[in-house]
Amino acid sequence: QKEVEQNSGPLSVPEGAIASLNCTYSDRGSQSFFWYRQYSGKSPELIMFIYSNGDKEDGRFTAQLNKASQYVSLLIRDSQPSDSATYLCAVAGNQFYFGTGTSLTVIP
Amino acid sequence: KAGVTQTPRYLIKTRGQQVTLSCSPISGHRSVSWYQQTPGQGLQFLFEYFSETQRNKGNFPGRFSGRQFSNSRSEMNVSTLELGDSALYLCASSSSTGGYNSPLHFGNGTRLTVT
Repeated sequence: QKEVEQNSGPLSVPEGAIASLNCTYSDRGSQSFFWYRQYSGKSPELIMFIYSNGDKEDGRFTAQLNKASQYVSLLIRDSQPSDSATYLCAVAGNQFYFGTGTSLTVIP
Repeated sequence: KAGVTQTPRYLIKTRGQQVTLSCSPISGHRSVSWYQQTPGQGLQFLFEYFSETQRNKGNFPGRFSGRQFSNSRSEMNVSTLELGDSALYLCASSSSTGGYNSPLHFGNGTRLTVT
């Protein structure tokens, strides 16, 4: 079992819709959770981080954490074509673990 | 504040050679991590250095090594290159000191091609 699991996609949503990206993790001792966006040929860029159960909002992005279910998600509201990228979920306990990423395409 | 700087951006080497990659972290960051990224395997953790000490190590052969200098700059070395070492090598720095609660900030990466 991998430490962090993500659906590889591809996930396609129309422009203006809500994109929902999901991630599960195996280590119950994990303390910190991060979402990164990676455009093709570029390096990962931090979007959000969350430490506590519940929701955390930043502009069009909302991170949701449920430690009991070992589940973290990222919602992107009013999706734009520029949001088309691979989204990496990262979980940190005694080290960082990354999922393999979900490819998102926003269709104009 | 300047970001994480990696040099060189691109490298082409032949099998059997060795290569050294360099990383300068964000000013004030003492933790530097290295990752290998390939299309099939995603981000694979190589090692992490903090204050010149290797704090954590991934599951890579001994051909992969690294070090960190007193100014927090880091280098990684790959000896006896194999075709499978072709990848994007990413360096990331963090302000984290005792744990892993601060985010990683990535450099632009070094794309290594082994022929």
